[in-house]
Amino acid sequence: AQSVTQLGSHVSVSEGALVLLRCNYSSSVPPYLFWYVQYPNQGLQLLLKYTSAATLVKGINGFEAEFKKSETSFHLTKPSAHMSDAAEYFCAVSPRSGTGRRALTFGSGTRLQVQP
Amino acid sequence: DTAVSQTPKYLVTQMGNDKSIKCEQNLGHDTMYWYKQDSKKFLKIMFSYNNKELIINETVPNRFSPKSPDKAHLNLHINSLELGDSAVYFCASSQGRVVETQYFGPGTRLLVL
Repeated sequence: AQSVTQLGSHVSVSEGALVLLRCNYSSSVPPYLFWYVQYPNQGLQLLLKYTSAATLVKGINGFEAEFKKSETSFHLTKPSAHMSDAAEYFCAVSPRSGTGRRALTFGSGTRLQVQP
Repeated sequence: DTAVSQTPKYLVTQMGNDKSIKCEQNLGHDTMYWYKQDSKKFLKIMFSYNNKELIINETVPNRFSPKSPDKAHLNLHINSLELGDSAVYFCASSQGRVVETQYFGPGTRLLVL
């Protein structure tokens, strides 16, 4: 069974500072990995995804994530935080198999606060 | 154009009532999902349909019944609503067997009084 752990339910950074949101997965086979963002009172929007091509994945809004198999991690980073980045961020996994269960398994989320 | 839409956006109702939430996607996807987000923001899969066939049915009370009249629609009917059903319900859709990016609707905020 797959699972995702997001370390830190709340992260606070200053505007212009580095953003680092942590995600570790547990799976017998490296899964597909996703980061979604949820702005207040809105649905989830895909930031980026790892599909087994390049291990460094670039997404929207200047975010990127690096897949590290040895560490079973997929941490999300952004070099310089902007006030508009304040939101809830979810890491998720999906199995690689083409049949059967396809649903995402989500982490518990990390709320990012950006201080002026 | 809205890719995945849900109605209603807000739903306030009394315990014991029966209610439905509708979801439609115009992306041409073959798989649709219902997720529940609780008050602590935790998201969990409830159901998944592929080409109108139920493929995922998590441990959800029988009071919840999904219905998929066609590939573009997946509705959720809830009987005898309870206080614990209060949550945000998200519909999502995806396509393909390789990498399945799921596209989410805006959510339906259900409050049971």
